Amino acid sequence: GAVVSQHPSRVICKSGTSVKIECRSLDFQATTMFWYRQFPKQSLMLMATSNEGSKATYEQGVEKDKFLINHASLTLSTLTVTSAHPEDSSFYICSARVSVQETQYFGPGTRLLVL
Amino acid sequence: GDSVTQMEGPVTLSEEAFLTINCTYTATGYPSLFWYVQYPGEGLQLLLKATKADDKGSNKGFEATYRKETTSFHLEKGSVQVSDSAVYFCALSGGGSYIPTFGRGTSLIVHP
Repeated sequence: GAVVSQHPSRVICKSGTSVKIECRSLDFQATTMFWYRQFPKQSLMLMATSNEGSKATYEQGVEKDKFLINHASLTLSTLTVTSAHPEDSSFYICSARVSVQETQYFGPGTRLLVL
Repeated sequence: GDSVTQMEGPVTLSEEAFLTINCTYTATGYPSLFWYVQYPGEGLQLLLKATKADDKGSNKGFEATYRKETTSFHLEKGSVQVSDSAVYFCALSGGGSYIPTFGRGTSLIVHP
């Protein structure tokens, strides 16, 4: 099956610093990539949807200036958490798909801990 | 808008028991339906999918049938193993929304 990678898998940073998370589709071209945040008790919260070459569409309540998303190519999207605070600590997961009816393939997730 | 409803968990079973995790949906159009599995500390993996009514998706002993008349996609397995312990997400894509819709996930715990 298709593979999506995320890097880093785990990051610890100080409050106030910025952290960049990369999401890559390794063997297919993804027209759309999604960024999720997963809270305790497992629920997934969609943060934003990004299409290659265009601005990301953010879900209501997600600060676009804090969570910067760039979808530079059909195989790479990045999420930058700017001026991270302890409340941003979470498990961030990306996914990618070719088209609307096709399967979403998920990355392994990035565990962010802000001290 | 589109929505997916899953049964509340956790579901706790003994090894070799029969598993059913209920999933119902509302959507316009003709969505594809999916089950994803998430093992502890990992991302979601596709378990199975069905793209049209009456299709049955199956994988690793799990199966689910796309029932348009009852708008359901229940996940079943005849004999669960301890290694099946995970969180299972039902999802749809390609209904009335461009964005995939996920259920809240159901945690499965299998005891030896």
